[in-house]
Amino acid sequence: AQKITQTQPGMFVQEKEAVTLDCTYDTSDQSYGLFWYKQPSSGEMIFLIYQGSYDEQNATEGRYSLNFQKARKSANLVISASQLGDSAMYFCAMSENYGGSQGNLIFGKGTKLSVKP
Amino acid sequence: SQTIHQWPATLVQPVGSPLSLECTVEGTSNPNLYWYRQAAGRGLQLLFYSVGIGQISSEVPQNLSASRPQDRQFILSSKKLLLSDSGFYLCAWSRVETSGRNTDTQYFGPGTRLTVL
Repeated sequence: AQKITQTQPGMFVQEKEAVTLDCTYDTSDQSYGLFWYKQPSSGEMIFLIYQGSYDEQNATEGRYSLNFQKARKSANLVISASQLGDSAMYFCAMSENYGGSQGNLIFGKGTKLSVKP
Repeated sequence: SQTIHQWPATLVQPVGSPLSLECTVEGTSNPNLYWYRQAAGRGLQLLFYSVGIGQISSEVPQNLSASRPQDRQFILSSKKLLLSDSGFYLCAWSRVETSGRNTDTQYFGPGTRLTVL
């Protein structure tokens, strides 16, 4: 069964507007971490933001915020004031056994975001 | 600050030839290290991870192998490449606290694009 689901293969957003990228996850662990990465056309995976399962506040990093709804098992990424440079693939990922020795990440299939001028 | 290097950036190899991809990390010690493969238009698949020198765990059975001869060096190898080995290979590291707790956030290198013909 898929553990990370990103239902939007592609999204368009107008420059300067906000956009939400969806991510749902499946785990039976109580302790886990949720991550978002950006992959521009160059290929490098850039870490954006993370949320721990015990964190009560939604994580924020600049224009990025993570809308964490634990009961719904969702961890949506919100990008405010979109810029042309935000056009990229975005991957949601989860780490089970959070804080354990291994920290393996499970990735979703990604959402391609295109920002229109 | 920490940096992660991968080389080569691109590689074209014939079927049946050997492979050696190298990854090094600077600015940290005793990191966890990871090798991922990304097929065209797909998410990331974890291939190997290492929690210390000489300690390698394989996630997917295949004709690839990994080695960690030094603390901050991780090598991905193959004796005979297959067509299905083509893809984008990413190395990543995560910080491990002195307590042994893994901090889970993974930072990726620039990747190696491998084409097997």
